[in-house]
Amino acid sequence: EAGVTQFPSHSVIEKGQTVTLRCDPISGHDNLYWYRRVMGKEIKFLLHFVKESKQDESGMPNNRFLAERTGGTYSTLKVQPAELEDSGVYFCASSQDYRNGSTEAFFGQGTRLTVV
Amino acid sequence: RKEVEQDPGPFNVPEGATVAFNCTYSNSASQSFFWYRQDCRKEPKLLMSVYSSGNEDGRFTAQLNRASQYISLLIRDSKLSDSATYLCVVTRSGGYNKLIFGAGTRLAVHP
Repeated sequence: EAGVTQFPSHSVIEKGQTVTLRCDPISGHDNLYWYRRVMGKEIKFLLHFVKESKQDESGMPNNRFLAERTGGTYSTLKVQPAELEDSGVYFCASSQDYRNGSTEAFFGQGTRLTVV
Repeated sequence: RKEVEQDPGPFNVPEGATVAFNCTYSNSASQSFFWYRQDCRKEPKLLMSVYSSGNEDGRFTAQLNRASQYISLLIRDSKLSDSATYLCVVTRSGGYNKLIFGAGTRLAVHP
């Protein structure tokens, strides 16, 4: 079974440009999370989808970040316009409906974003 | 103050050594506790959950002290392949498994 996949694996863009990151969760996982790790810091939560609905977006840094999960399948995270401080590794994770007892979150390999 | 605090290390130990990592969390409403492992330039992967009664998985033993808000991970008989960053992770009550990460403790096992 395929794991969580993220695309692209690396992205280098100029300040002011737009970048869209994509995450395909494990099939059947209702929960989808976005996290970010900036240089030297801990991994931080950005937001959480349950199916297509945003359950918690308290970690989104500002309105330059827009996440969607149309149809409750894959998700995109768009940064527009990108700033230097947006550089980091963006991780996506998915988990089954926790009510089914499985709470393990599986992570994708991340997208390394560099804004220059 | 960070919600989850860890000693960043690095811990440099020889093969066969026993090494212990500690972690404290500040939110008393934290509900679930985990240790994740992250290899260089890779994604975090669940190593083990941590239960109040303590739990063991092979060479790895995890302990939780809710009163002190303290979590530990003990690795016995260290292997070269144990070299990685170990992340202490908690979830909040009602947090729908939103993971709160510590910054990680780096372990380097040498021959």
